Amino acid sequence: GDSVTQTEGLVTVTEGLPVKLNCTYQTTYLTIAFFWYVQYLNEAPQVLLRSSTDNKRTEHQGFHATLHKSSSSFHLQKSSAQLSDSALYYCALSGDNNRIFFGDGTQLVVKP
Amino acid sequence: EAAVTQSPRNKVAVTGGKVTLSCNQTNNHNNMYWYRQDTGHGLRLIHYSYGAGSTEKGDIPDGYKASRPSQENFSLILELATPSQTSVYFCASGDRLGTYEQYFGPGTRLTVL
Repeated sequence: GDSVTQTEGLVTVTEGLPVKLNCTYQTTYLTIAFFWYVQYLNEAPQVLLRSSTDNKRTEHQGFHATLHKSSSSFHLQKSSAQLSDSALYYCALSGDNNRIFFGDGTQLVVKP
Repeated sequence: EAAVTQSPRNKVAVTGGKVTLSCNQTNNHNNMYWYRQDTGHGLRLIHYSYGAGSTEKGDIPDGYKASRPSQENFSLILELATPSQTSVYFCASGDRLGTYEQYFGPGTRLTVL
């Protein structure tokens, strides 16, 4: 079946420094799209980025991710982390079975 | 105006009691989903639905039932609540076309004593 792996449960970074959240996946279905969801404290998860095109960079709110099907990866990056970026981030993929498969999430803490 | 709403937002229940969590969506999406969120486990799918009258088991359906009486409404039912079901529950809706992107409600915090 489909699965998403986020290797870091917690990432701590200093404000202004770059940050990278890792995401790899396995899929046996025809995968439709890949997502990064962000969840701020006491809020609902919401889509930050989405992509379905191999080797194409997708950007939103200063974050970017590039889908690499050759390495089954969809890492999330930002060149300069802000305090307001502190949140829980989920990598996810959707298949043709109407489901989205989520990773376990990475908690990002940006400290002054 | 929020497109996915949940009620109640907070609930305290007793062990062995019946709990019903409700979800309403105005996105006109065919698909709806129930997840629970626990630290260290992320979002886990309990039940989902392709449309009115249909329910499907997700990855952790034991101890839960679901009901989809209409396009807009999807309920999660705990017939005999247990402390292990203490969690935050999220409802989501998603279209059957496109990327299947899901839109989440604000969540219900359930505590079973």
